[in-house]
Amino acid sequence: AQSVTQPDIHITVSEGASLELRCNYSYGATPYLFWYVQSPGQGLQLLLKYFSGDTLVQGIKGFEAEFKRSQSSFNLRKPSVHWSDAAEYFCAVGVRSNQFYFGTGTSLTVIP
Amino acid sequence: DADVTQTPRNRITKTGKRIMLECSQTKGHDRMYWYRQDPGLGLRLIYYSFDVKDINKGEISDGYSVSRQAQAKFSLSLESAIPNQTALYFCATSDSRTSGANVLTFGAGSRLTVL
Repeated sequence: AQSVTQPDIHITVSEGASLELRCNYSYGATPYLFWYVQSPGQGLQLLLKYFSGDTLVQGIKGFEAEFKRSQSSFNLRKPSVHWSDAAEYFCAVGVRSNQFYFGTGTSLTVIP
Repeated sequence: DADVTQTPRNRITKTGKRIMLECSQTKGHDRMYWYRQDPGLGLRLIYYSFDVKDINKGEISDGYSVSRQAQAKFSLSLESAIPNQTALYFCATSDSRTSGANVLTFGAGSRLTVL
């Protein structure tokens, strides 16, 4: 069965520090991969997506993610975190173009 | 106006009551989805619809029903609400005509509390 694992439930970083959020998936083939962000009281907003090609993808708000097939991972990174990045982040995989599986989310706290 | 609008945004109800959550979209997307979000569990798919005449169960459809009244409208009903249906519900849409995989566009969510 397909699954998405985000091993870090909660992460705290200082403003200006770098950030990496981990995501691992289980699927027989290479799925479509996504990162979404959910700010308090808001819906989920797409940060970036990977379909094929270059394994390093750039997204909005200065985020990037790298697909590593050998590790079945799609980790999200940002070189310098801003206080406005505090939110919940969800990794998701899309399979057979109509099924999407979400991780349990990583809550990010940014301290001044 | 939001591309995907959910109403109501917040609702408190009692056990046994019938509840309907509504979703409308202006994106012209053909596919619509209902997800449920619970703390520590992420998002789980309740139902999805590929067009007006197509309704499919997701992984947690028991206790829920849906209606696709038009391409732009997809409602979720709880016929007899129970406390463990207290959650944040999201409607999402996608467009099958785009190249590559569908990308989901989410509404702002409907928070339901069942007492």
